[in-house]
Amino acid sequence: DGGITQSPKYLFRKEGQNVTLSCEQNLNHDAMYWYRQDPGQGLRLIYYSQIVNDFQKGDIAEGYSVSREKKESFPLTVTSAQKNPTAFYLCASSIVGMESPLHFGNGTRLTVT
Amino acid sequence: QKEVEQDPGPLSVPEGAIVSLNCTYSNSAFQYFMWYRQYSRKGPELLMYTYSSGNKEDGRFTAQVDKSSKYISLFIRDSQPSDSATYLCAMSGGSYIPTFGRGTSLIVHP
Repeated sequence: DGGITQSPKYLFRKEGQNVTLSCEQNLNHDAMYWYRQDPGQGLRLIYYSQIVNDFQKGDIAEGYSVSREKKESFPLTVTSAQKNPTAFYLCASSIVGMESPLHFGNGTRLTVT
Repeated sequence: QKEVEQDPGPLSVPEGAIVSLNCTYSNSAFQYFMWYRQYSRKGPELLMYTYSSGNKEDGRFTAQVDKSSKYISLFIRDSQPSDSATYLCAMSGGSYIPTFGRGTSLIVHP
């Protein structure tokens, strides 16, 4: 069954710690994305990658980092520099091309106290 | 002004009602239009996908695009409590990165 797997579903961290969110896809998609969703603010793009070993900043990249060493995997690290890290994080993938819709994972809820 | 405007709601309707959800946009380059449904604490799932102007029907759902007015709609017939979710519109054109609306929260009460 093809899809996108995000883990864990819930994550709790203390302030000042870095944390890495996992995203794996078996859809053979070249493009992968990370979004942040806060109540009332819709989806905000953090980073995206069109091809292995290459990625671009989205609208709110500050305090985040990513890597794309494999086509299937696009982990997101939330660093201690991110001022308001508590949020719902969504990973998505697509074929590269504006006619291709995004397919989403089921998200990771990160709570930092 | 945001590129895509969507009323966040909530929109509350009785079971069986026809629901109309809408988005307006300002970018003339948009050609591909999508509707996603998102249940609480889940990721968005693609519901409808249309290209350019016109209507597309899938079961109880109809997506409508009016490019001349820069307006898209999603109609849900015979709405059910299981349709209660947040509905996000998205569109792309000129770039493969889609632009999303903020989402409309729909509540269908029995």
